[in-house]
Amino acid sequence: QVQLQQWGAGLLKSSETLSLTCALYGGSFSGYRWSWIRQTPGQGLEWIGEIIDSGITFYNPSLTSRVSVSIDTSRNQFSLRLTSVTATDTGVYYCARAYTNAWDYWGQGTLVTVSS
Amino acid sequence: SSGLTQDPAVSVALGQTVRITCQGDSLRTYYASWYQQKPGRAPLLVIYAKDKRPSGIPDRFSGSRSGNTASLTITGTQAEDEADYFCNSPDSSGNRVFGPGTKVTVL
Repeated sequence: QVQLQQWGAGLLKSSETLSLTCALYGGSFSGYRWSWIRQTPGQGLEWIGEIIDSGITFYNPSLTSRVSVSIDTSRNQFSLRLTSVTATDTGVYYCARAYTNAWDYWGQGTLVTVSS
Repeated sequence: SSGLTQDPAVSVALGQTVRITCQGDSLRTYYASWYQQKPGRAPLLVIYAKDKRPSGIPDRFSGSRSGNTASLTITGTQAEDEADYFCNSPDSSGNRVFGPGTKVTVL
């Protein structure tokens, strides 16, 4: 059974870098896209970006200047970095597995709060 | 436009049928996926590739598309179906856009 478990710092100050990691259990990276999605009071659900096992990445055009997604297949993990955060980046961040343009497995979510 | 629109809220009597719609130009080209979200929980995929259900999703959930509108229909709505429902679709620029969500209340 595929499971995604995520972790990372939940309280940041403005201008700091958000860093989250998601571990994959019970499955393989091959054949899927590995995504980060957030849910904020201002934007609702928002796709941040994703990566495939070869390391090719795809980013939301509105975030591409600040976001980086990486993958470590040896550790069965993938990660998100979002630089220069502001209060508008406050929300719940999810990792998820994408298959045929849909996310079928999700992490439990991490609440990230950015304070000024 | 790459945006998706949804009605903010809809109510349905227990056991009746409710249709939730999602409109957007991208839906003429791409199929929508639909997600159910309950408070404090991650979204749950209920429909993908227009009308396919993941394993474990009851067959009272169905999907369809007409023109620029995708629909999620719940037939014989149960109390546990009360939740927020979001649609999602890729757009022509490679972005993956969510609708704002529809809150379904079961009366």
